[in-house]
Amino acid sequence: AQSVSQHNHHVILSEAASLELGCNYSYGGTVNLFWYVQYPGQHLQLLLKYFSGDPLVKGIKGFEAEFIKSKFSFNLRKPSVQWSDTAEYFCAVIFGSSNTGKLIFGQGTTLQVKP
Amino acid sequence: DAGITQSPRYKITETGRQVTLMCHQTWSHSYMFWYRQDLGHGLRLIYYSAAADITDKGEVPDGYVVSRSKTENFPLTLESATRSQTSVYFCASSSSPTDTQYFGPGTRLTVL
Repeated sequence: AQSVSQHNHHVILSEAASLELGCNYSYGGTVNLFWYVQYPGQHLQLLLKYFSGDPLVKGIKGFEAEFIKSKFSFNLRKPSVQWSDTAEYFCAVIFGSSNTGKLIFGQGTTLQVKP
Repeated sequence: DAGITQSPRYKITETGRQVTLMCHQTWSHSYMFWYRQDLGHGLRLIYYSAAADITDKGEVPDGYVVSRSKTENFPLTLESATRSQTSVYFCASSSSPTDTQYFGPGTRLTVL
């Protein structure tokens, strides 16, 4: 079955620390990849996405992600986190040449940044 | 520029009652989606719609009904609410099946 795994469920960092959140998916074919962020009490917002081309994708607020096809991974990174990055982060995948738009989400990672 | 809105934002109901959650988008997006968010499960797709009058089941459709008579609206109905349907419900829309989905603010539903 198609699935998305986020291995870090709860991450606690101090400000200025570097961040890397893991995301792996189960399918070996074409994928569209997304990272969404949900700040406390708010709705999901798109951080970045990858459809094709350069596997290193830059998003908003200094985030970036790297698509490694051989590892079925799309890890999210930020060189220096801020307190305002405290949020829940979701990796999501559309598998194959889907004509339905079905997004499969990972379980989410809660990031807590200590000031 | 309202984007995508959901109503109500909060709802408390009792087991067995019918509840309808509303979703409205102003972008004329063809695709609309309903997800539920539960701790430890991330977001799971309940139903989706590719256009007006075209809907299909997602991962967890049991106990839910949808309709889409107009492009901009996609209501979700719980025909007979159960406690297991206590959750946060998000509506989303996109212009194509593989493009970015934009999410509404969510409805927090509690079934007593």
